[in-house]
Amino acid sequence: AQSVAQPEDQVNVAEGNPLTVKCTYSVSGNPYLFWYVQYPNRGLQFLLKYITGDNLVKGSYGFEAEFNKSQTSFHLKKPSALVSDSALYFCAVRGETGANNLFFGTGTRLTVIP
Amino acid sequence: NAGVTQTPKFRVLKTGQSMTLLCAQDMNHEYMYWYRQDPGMGLRLIHYSVGEGTTAKGEVPDGYNVSRLKKQNFLLGLESAAPSQTSVYFCASSYRNEQFFGPGTRLTVL
Repeated sequence: AQSVAQPEDQVNVAEGNPLTVKCTYSVSGNPYLFWYVQYPNRGLQFLLKYITGDNLVKGSYGFEAEFNKSQTSFHLKKPSALVSDSALYFCAVRGETGANNLFFGTGTRLTVIP
Repeated sequence: NAGVTQTPKFRVLKTGQSMTLLCAQDMNHEYMYWYRQDPGMGLRLIHYSVGEGTTAKGEVPDGYNVSRLKKQNFLLGLESAAPSQTSVYFCASSYRNEQFFGPGTRLTVL
């Protein structure tokens, strides 16, 4: 069965510093991995995905994620955090049923401190 | 394009009442999904559809029913609402491994 773990409920980082939001996954076969961001009272917005290819994936708003097969991780990163990056971040893995549904982690709340 | 829209945005029900949440997408996507979001639990799949006239159960289907009579619409029904169904409900459609989410419906069951 597939699953996603986000070990940190909350991450605080100072504006201008690099940020990392952690994610590990479990799935049979090749993983399809995603990051979404949710701003208050809004739906989820797609940030980036890993399907195959380069282990470093670049996405929206300057975010990137590093796929590590041996550690089964897909950490989200950004070189320089902005206050506007403060939001709830979800990591997800595609399900194994073939219906393209996603299994989500519990989310990490990122707060960027001015 | 409006993308994925959901109706209503907010609703308060009493235990035992019924209601239907409507999801519409104008992107001609085959696949559609209903998720619920609860604090500390992420999003969990309720039901999904891989095409007009087809539906299937997800992780947490109990207490819900769905219908996909038209390709662009995916309805989520609660026949007899319970307080445990207080949640934020998100609809999504997908194309080429990317899911597009609606803005959500906040449902409170008293």
